[in-house]
Amino acid sequence: KAGVTQTPRYLIKTRGQQVTLSCSPISGHRSVSWYQQTPGQGLQFLFEYFSETQRNKGNFPGRFSGRQFSNSRSEMNVSTLELGDSALYLCASNPDYPGTVGETQYFGPGTRLLVL
Amino acid sequence: AQSVTQLGSHVSVSEGALVLLRCNYSSSVPPYLFWYVQYPNQGLQLLLKYTTGATLVKGINGFEAEFKKSETSFHLTKPSAHMSDAAEYFCAVSDHSGGYQKVTFGTGTKLQVIP
Repeated sequence: KAGVTQTPRYLIKTRGQQVTLSCSPISGHRSVSWYQQTPGQGLQFLFEYFSETQRNKGNFPGRFSGRQFSNSRSEMNVSTLELGDSALYLCASNPDYPGTVGETQYFGPGTRLLVL
Repeated sequence: AQSVTQLGSHVSVSEGALVLLRCNYSSSVPPYLFWYVQYPNQGLQLLLKYTTGATLVKGINGFEAEFKKSETSFHLTKPSAHMSDAAEYFCAVSDHSGGYQKVTFGTGTKLQVIP
């Protein structure tokens, strides 16, 4: 099976712009989570989607949003970019089989966003 | 609410020396525990995990971890460090108390291996 793919891999934007990042989970995986990783704050949870519904959300401002499509692919959007949004954005998927516990998160390589 | 504490954001060991990365967790329900590794410019990948059963868990690349409920710990060890082990390591805990899996990651420990 192909792994989790994220596009684009690298992105440069300027303050005030908006950006959309894409994540394609492993085939058959229904849960997709997004994380922001920075040197100062480490790995921070943004949100998780399952069956096109946001199921869990971290402590990020409303400028950060996401969605999931019927094929489980997910996008996240950041509006009105700030310098502090420069980070590696990671996407992870897992099957979320009913009744299964302790499932592994499978991570993509990330999208590195630089805001100038 | 569950949480994970990784002691030491940076750990340095000599090549061939023991690797010990510490992780303590807090969870109101039986936890599921994970260690992930991240190499530069890559995503995280699973090293090992504990769900049920044997408390000593073996993972890839010679790593292992022991679940100690009484100490709420899940420390990662490797008997002999290799240069290729230099990476960032994340401990994580998950539970299903809300009917679905919620995962919480620690802040990570960067391992430096000195030749």
